[in-house]
Amino acid sequence: DVKVTQSSRYLVKRTGEKVFLECVQDMDHENMFWYRQDPGLGLRLIYFSYDVKMKEKGDIPEGYSVSREKKERFSLILESASTNQTSMYLCASSLIAYGYTFGSGTRLTVV
Amino acid sequence: TQLLEQSPQFLSIQEGENLTVYCNSSSVFSSLQWYRQEPGEGPVLLVTVVTGGEVKKLKRLTFQFGDARKDSSLHITAAQPGDTGLYLCALGRDDKIIFGKGTRLHILP
Repeated sequence: DVKVTQSSRYLVKRTGEKVFLECVQDMDHENMFWYRQDPGLGLRLIYFSYDVKMKEKGDIPEGYSVSREKKERFSLILESASTNQTSMYLCASSLIAYGYTFGSGTRLTVV
Repeated sequence: TQLLEQSPQFLSIQEGENLTVYCNSSSVFSSLQWYRQEPGEGPVLLVTVVTGGEVKKLKRLTFQFGDARKDSSLHITAAQPGDTGLYLCALGRDDKIIFGKGTRLHILP
């Protein structure tokens, strides 16, 4: 089975800090995605990548950046954390758009 | 306007009852997936359907894809407390997947 591993389950950061969320998948998938999930808003796509060094903006990229230096690793960066970025962050990978494998999520609180 | 509508938003029923939840889109889509998400975890893929009219079964869960490929339903027979969770439908478009907001299901023992 494909495994998608997110480095932290829970994080608490201060406003203005630079935050790194790491995601690693072990099945050689081309496609990787970062979502945030908020009550009443569902899953919203932040950034995605179809290949190493490649990145595309999703629906809500403001305040975020990403890095994909190796195929298996896709990092989400909050340049200067703000309280409205408190959320559940979910990483996913796939071979094609027929189904994602998600990580367990990182619940980030910005204080 | 939301691309993908799920109904109902919330459903609470007794163990042993049957239920159906729905997923509707205004557009035709190439594929549709159903996921279940438990509290504090990421969504887990249950099924992918790609053909209009397709029916897939996963134990007590029956998934149906509409003939026009714009809607889908999930029917659960004899619901159990382990079925509790957030059920998300998602459609495939342009190599991306768009999620509905989900149906939160609670099965009372």
